[in-house]
Amino acid sequence: AAGVIQSPRHLIKEKRETATLKCYPIPRHDTVYWYQQGPGQDPQFLISFYEKMQSDKGSIPDRFSAQQFSDYHSELNMSSLELGDSALYFCASSSEAGVDLTGTDTQYFGPGTRLTVL
Amino acid sequence: AQSVTQPDIHITVSEGASLELRCNYSYGATPYLFWYVQSPGQGLQLLLKYFSGDTLVQGIKGFEAEFKRSQSSFNLRKPSVHWSDAAEYFCAVGAPGGSNYKLTFGKGTLLTVNP
Repeated sequence: AAGVIQSPRHLIKEKRETATLKCYPIPRHDTVYWYQQGPGQDPQFLISFYEKMQSDKGSIPDRFSAQQFSDYHSELNMSSLELGDSALYFCASSSEAGVDLTGTDTQYFGPGTRLTVL
Repeated sequence: AQSVTQPDIHITVSEGASLELRCNYSYGATPYLFWYVQSPGQGLQLLLKYFSGDTLVQGIKGFEAEFKRSQSSFNLRKPSVHWSDAAEYFCAVGAPGGSNYKLTFGKGTLLTVNP
Protein backbone atom coordinates (compact mmCIF):
# COMPACT_ATOMS: atom_id res chain seq x y z
CA ALA A 1 0.00 0.00 0.00
CA ALA A 2 1.13 3.53 -0.70
CA GLY A 3 2.47 5.49 2.25
CA VAL A 4 2.88 9.11 3.19
CA ILE A 5 5.75 10.73 1.32
CA GLN A 6 7.80 13.57 2.73
CA SER A 7 10.47 15.59 1.03
CA PRO A 8 13.19 16.37 1.51
CA ARG A 9 14.25 13.70 4.00
CA HIS A 10 17.10 15.81 5.30
CA LEU A 11 17.59 19.56 5.22
CA ILE A 12 20.37 21.74 6.55
CA LYS A 13 19.82 25.48 6.86
CA GLU A 14 21.50 28.46 8.45
CA LYS A 15 19.87 30.64 11.09
CA ARG A 16 17.44 33.19 9.68
CA GLU A 17 17.00 31.22 6.45
CA THR A 18 13.70 29.79 5.22
CA ALA A 19 12.70 26.19 4.62
CA THR A 20 9.81 24.45 2.89
CA LEU A 21 8.82 20.92 3.79
CA LYS A 22 6.46 18.93 1.58
CA CYS A 23 4.03 16.16 2.40
CA TYR A 24 2.15 13.90 0.00
CA PRO A 25 -0.63 12.01 1.82
CA ILE A 26 -1.78 8.49 1.12
CA PRO A 27 -3.95 8.61 -2.02
CA ARG A 28 -7.54 9.64 -1.25
CA HIS A 29 -6.71 10.74 2.27
CA ASP A 30 -8.25 14.15 2.83
CA THR A 31 -6.67 15.18 6.13
CA VAL A 32 -3.05 16.12 6.77
CA TYR A 33 -1.33 16.77 10.09
CA TRP A 34 2.09 18.18 10.91
CA TYR A 35 4.07 17.26 14.02
CA GLN A 36 7.44 18.39 15.34
CA GLN A 37 9.70 16.06 17.31
CA GLY A 38 12.68 17.66 19.00
CA PRO A 39 15.72 15.59 20.01
CA GLY A 40 14.70 13.06 22.63
CA GLN A 41 11.17 14.46 22.74
CA ASP A 42 7.70 13.23 21.91
CA PRO A 43 6.01 14.51 18.75
CA GLN A 44 4.11 17.76 19.21
CA PHE A 45 1.12 18.68 17.06
CA LEU A 46 1.61 21.79 14.91
CA ILE A 47 -1.32 22.12 12.52
CA SER A 48 -3.84 20.14 10.50
CA PHE A 49 -5.88 20.54 7.32
CA TYR A 50 -9.10 18.91 6.19
CA GLU A 51 -10.25 19.32 2.62
CA LYS A 52 -7.72 22.13 2.08
CA MET A 53 -8.93 24.17 5.04
CA GLN A 54 -7.03 24.58 8.28
CA SER A 55 -8.87 22.51 10.85
CA ASP A 56 -6.80 22.75 14.02
CA LYS A 57 -3.74 24.55 15.27
CA GLY A 58 -1.31 23.58 17.97
CA SER A 59 1.96 25.01 19.17
CA ILE A 60 3.06 26.33 15.80
CA PRO A 61 5.24 29.46 15.85
CA ASP A 62 4.04 32.51 13.96
CA ARG A 63 7.15 32.16 11.77
CA PHE A 64 5.68 28.95 10.38
CA SER A 65 2.81 28.68 7.95
CA ALA A 66 1.26 25.80 6.11
CA GLN A 67 -1.34 25.02 3.50
CA GLN A 68 -2.98 22.11 1.76
CA PHE A 69 -3.30 22.25 -1.99
CA SER A 70 -5.99 21.07 -4.39
CA ASP A 71 -4.20 17.73 -4.87
CA TYR A 72 -4.18 17.35 -1.04
CA HIS A 73 -0.45 17.63 -0.67
CA SER A 74 0.69 20.02 2.03
CA GLU A 75 3.63 22.32 2.56
CA LEU A 76 5.06 23.66 5.80
CA ASN A 77 6.88 26.94 5.33
CA MET A 78 9.34 28.00 8.00
CA SER A 79 10.96 31.42 8.03
CA SER A 80 13.61 33.12 10.17
CA LEU A 81 14.88 29.73 11.26
CA GLU A 82 16.27 29.40 14.75
CA LEU A 83 18.58 26.81 16.26
CA GLY A 84 15.63 25.49 18.27
CA ASP A 85 13.78 24.62 15.09
CA SER A 86 16.16 21.70 14.55
CA ALA A 87 13.89 18.68 14.78
CA LEU A 88 12.24 15.84 12.95
CA TYR A 89 9.08 17.04 11.23
CA PHE A 90 6.42 14.46 10.59
CA CYS A 91 3.44 14.60 8.35
CA ALA A 92 0.52 12.24 8.85
CA SER A 93 -2.62 11.66 6.82
CA SER A 94 -5.99 10.13 7.47
CA SER A 95 -9.37 9.58 5.91
CA GLU A 96 -12.74 9.61 7.62
CA ALA A 97 -14.00 6.98 5.23
CA GLY A 98 -10.95 4.78 5.32
CA VAL A 99 -9.56 3.75 1.97
CA ASP A 100 -7.76 0.70 0.66
CA LEU A 101 -6.15 -1.00 3.63
CA THR A 102 -6.04 2.09 5.83
CA GLY A 103 -8.40 2.23 8.75
CA THR A 104 -11.04 4.88 9.27
CA ASP A 105 -9.74 7.98 11.03
CA THR A 106 -6.32 6.44 11.62
CA GLN A 107 -3.30 8.70 11.22
CA TYR A 108 -0.47 7.22 9.17
CA PHE A 109 2.89 8.88 9.48
CA GLY A 110 5.51 9.63 6.88
CA PRO A 111 9.21 8.99 7.47
CA GLY A 112 9.82 12.59 8.52
CA THR A 113 12.08 15.41 7.42
CA ARG A 114 15.11 15.99 9.60
CA LEU A 115 15.81 19.72 9.73
CA THR A 116 19.12 20.90 11.08
CA VAL A 117 19.62 24.62 11.65
CA LEU A 118 23.24 25.74 12.00
CA ALA B 1 -7.31 18.90 27.54
CA GLN B 2 -6.10 15.41 26.79
CA SER B 3 -2.82 14.08 28.15
CA VAL B 4 -0.85 10.85 28.22
CA THR B 5 1.52 9.47 30.80
CA GLN B 6 4.02 6.75 30.13
CA PRO B 7 5.52 6.09 33.56
CA ASP B 8 8.50 4.10 32.33
CA ILE B 9 11.16 6.05 30.46
CA HIS B 10 13.36 3.03 29.82
CA ILE B 11 12.70 -0.71 30.11
CA THR B 12 15.16 -3.53 29.60
CA VAL B 13 14.02 -7.09 29.00
CA SER B 14 15.70 -10.27 27.88
CA GLU B 15 14.87 -11.73 24.52
CA GLY B 16 12.01 -14.18 24.88
CA ALA B 17 10.66 -12.54 28.02
CA SER B 18 7.23 -11.01 28.21
CA LEU B 19 6.71 -7.27 27.97
CA GLU B 20 4.21 -4.76 29.29
CA LEU B 21 4.48 -1.05 28.59
CA ARG B 22 2.22 1.19 30.62
CA CYS B 23 0.11 4.04 29.36
CA ASN B 24 -2.39 6.18 31.28
CA TYR B 25 -4.46 8.89 29.70
CA SER B 26 -6.55 11.82 30.81
CA TYR B 27 -9.64 12.71 28.81
CA GLY B 28 -13.26 13.47 29.61
CA ALA B 29 -14.67 10.57 27.66
CA THR B 30 -13.33 7.53 25.86
CA PRO B 31 -10.65 8.73 23.49
CA TYR B 32 -9.08 7.17 20.47
CA LEU B 33 -5.98 5.32 21.72
CA PHE B 34 -2.90 4.32 19.79
CA TRP B 35 0.49 2.76 20.17
CA TYR B 36 3.23 3.77 17.74
CA VAL B 37 6.79 2.43 17.52
CA GLN B 38 9.81 4.40 16.38
CA SER B 39 13.23 3.01 15.55
CA PRO B 40 16.18 5.42 15.80
CA GLY B 41 15.95 8.15 13.18
CA GLN B 42 12.86 6.58 11.68
CA GLY B 43 9.22 7.43 11.35
CA LEU B 44 6.31 6.37 13.53
CA GLN B 45 4.76 3.02 12.73
CA LEU B 46 1.27 2.23 13.97
CA LEU B 47 1.18 -0.91 16.12
CA LEU B 48 -2.47 -0.91 17.08
CA LYS B 49 -5.42 1.31 17.90
CA TYR B 50 -8.60 1.36 19.95
CA PHE B 51 -11.68 3.31 18.89
CA SER B 52 -14.52 1.35 20.46
CA GLY B 53 -15.82 -2.17 20.99
CA ASP B 54 -13.68 -5.05 22.17
CA THR B 55 -11.29 -3.71 24.80
CA LEU B 56 -8.52 -6.15 23.87
CA VAL B 57 -7.01 -5.16 20.55
CA GLN B 58 -4.52 -7.06 18.48
CA GLY B 59 -1.83 -5.32 16.50
CA ILE B 60 1.07 -6.07 14.27
CA LYS B 61 4.25 -7.92 15.26
CA GLY B 62 2.43 -9.91 17.95
CA PHE B 63 1.53 -6.92 20.12
CA GLU B 64 -1.77 -6.45 21.90
CA ALA B 65 -3.20 -3.79 24.17
CA GLU B 66 -6.08 -3.69 26.61
CA PHE B 67 -8.25 -0.65 27.21
CA LYS B 68 -9.35 -0.38 30.84
CA ARG B 69 -11.78 2.49 31.31
CA SER B 70 -11.78 2.21 35.12
CA GLN B 71 -8.03 2.70 35.20
CA SER B 72 -7.77 5.09 32.25
CA SER B 73 -5.10 2.79 30.90
CA PHE B 74 -4.10 1.28 27.58
CA ASN B 75 -1.14 -0.97 28.30
CA LEU B 76 0.81 -2.65 25.53
CA ARG B 77 1.84 -6.28 25.87
CA LYS B 78 3.81 -8.90 24.03
CA PRO B 79 4.25 -12.46 25.31
CA SER B 80 7.75 -12.99 23.91
CA VAL B 81 10.04 -10.15 22.92
CA HIS B 82 12.39 -10.36 19.94
CA TRP B 83 15.64 -8.45 19.59
CA SER B 84 14.10 -6.54 16.68
CA ASP B 85 11.50 -5.06 19.06
CA ALA B 86 14.13 -2.75 20.54
CA ALA B 87 12.83 0.75 19.79
CA GLU B 88 10.95 3.65 21.34
CA TYR B 89 7.25 3.16 21.96
CA PHE B 90 4.77 6.00 22.09
CA CYS B 91 1.24 5.87 23.42
CA ALA B 92 -1.07 8.52 21.96
CA VAL B 93 -4.62 9.76 22.42
CA GLY B 94 -6.96 11.58 20.11
CA ALA B 95 -10.37 13.14 20.67
CA PRO B 96 -13.00 11.22 18.69
CA GLY B 97 -15.52 12.93 16.46
CA GLY B 98 -14.44 12.65 12.87
CA SER B 99 -11.32 12.24 10.86
CA ASN B 100 -9.89 15.48 12.11
CA TYR B 101 -8.24 15.23 15.51
CA LYS B 102 -4.80 15.93 16.86
CA LEU B 103 -2.76 13.27 18.59
CA THR B 104 -1.24 13.90 21.98
CA PHE B 105 1.72 11.66 22.66
CA GLY B 106 3.29 10.39 25.83
CA LYS B 107 6.99 10.96 26.43
CA GLY B 108 7.78 7.50 25.14
CA THR B 109 9.30 4.32 26.59
CA LEU B 110 12.64 3.17 25.26
CA LEU B 111 12.83 -0.60 25.07
CA THR B 112 16.19 -2.36 25.22
CA VAL B 113 16.31 -6.08 24.53
CA ASN B 114 19.18 -8.11 25.93
CA PRO B 115 20.27 -11.26 24.08
